[in-house]
Amino acid sequence: SQTIHQWPATLVQPVGSPLSLECTVEGTSNPNLYWYRQAAGRGLQLLFYSVGIGQISSEVPQNLSASRPQDRQFILSSKKLLLSDSGFYLCACHRDQGAGELFFGEGSRLTVL
Amino acid sequence: GQSLEQPSEVTAVEGAIVQINCTYQTSGFYGLSWYQQHDGGAPTFLSYNALDGLEETGRFSSFLSRSDSYGYLLLQELQMKDSASYFCAITGGFKTIFGAGTRLFVKA
Repeated sequence: SQTIHQWPATLVQPVGSPLSLECTVEGTSNPNLYWYRQAAGRGLQLLFYSVGIGQISSEVPQNLSASRPQDRQFILSSKKLLLSDSGFYLCACHRDQGAGELFFGEGSRLTVL
Repeated sequence: GQSLEQPSEVTAVEGAIVQINCTYQTSGFYGLSWYQQHDGGAPTFLSYNALDGLEETGRFSSFLSRSDSYGYLLLQELQMKDSASYFCAITGGFKTIFGAGTRLFVKA
């Protein structure tokens, strides 16, 4: 079965500092990968998705970027964090390549001060 | 573009039945899914409807009407542990877009 690892689980960063969140997937190959962000008490906003190594589609223009250096690795980055970047970042993939079910990692909770 | 609407909050008593509605607007649609999220946790998948009709999984059922761009999640025999946020989501192409979520409060 599939497993998604995300780290760090929690981090507190000052405004203007860089960010790197990592996501690795086990138990599947060539997955479609997704980054979502959830502000406190809100829904999930799709940030980026990737259908293969080096292929990144951006859904929301912002100061974040994503990269996929390996088949099962997805990285979310920022050069300079904003207060509005605070939130719960979730990495996801489809369960067993099916279109219906998204399977999420445990998330990375970011607080920008 | 794509958008979904669902109620922000629903309150029900333990043992009751509750229905959470979801209407959507989209072009290019594969299906409607539902997710549950407890405070502090990640969303977990509940159900997926690719075709019109009712899908039943234990105490949870989900319905889709593609002609009405409408679906609902039905929770039966409510338990306290069902208190959580519930999200409808539409899948089209490579993307899954989520609604803002419905907060369900189950009272004793």
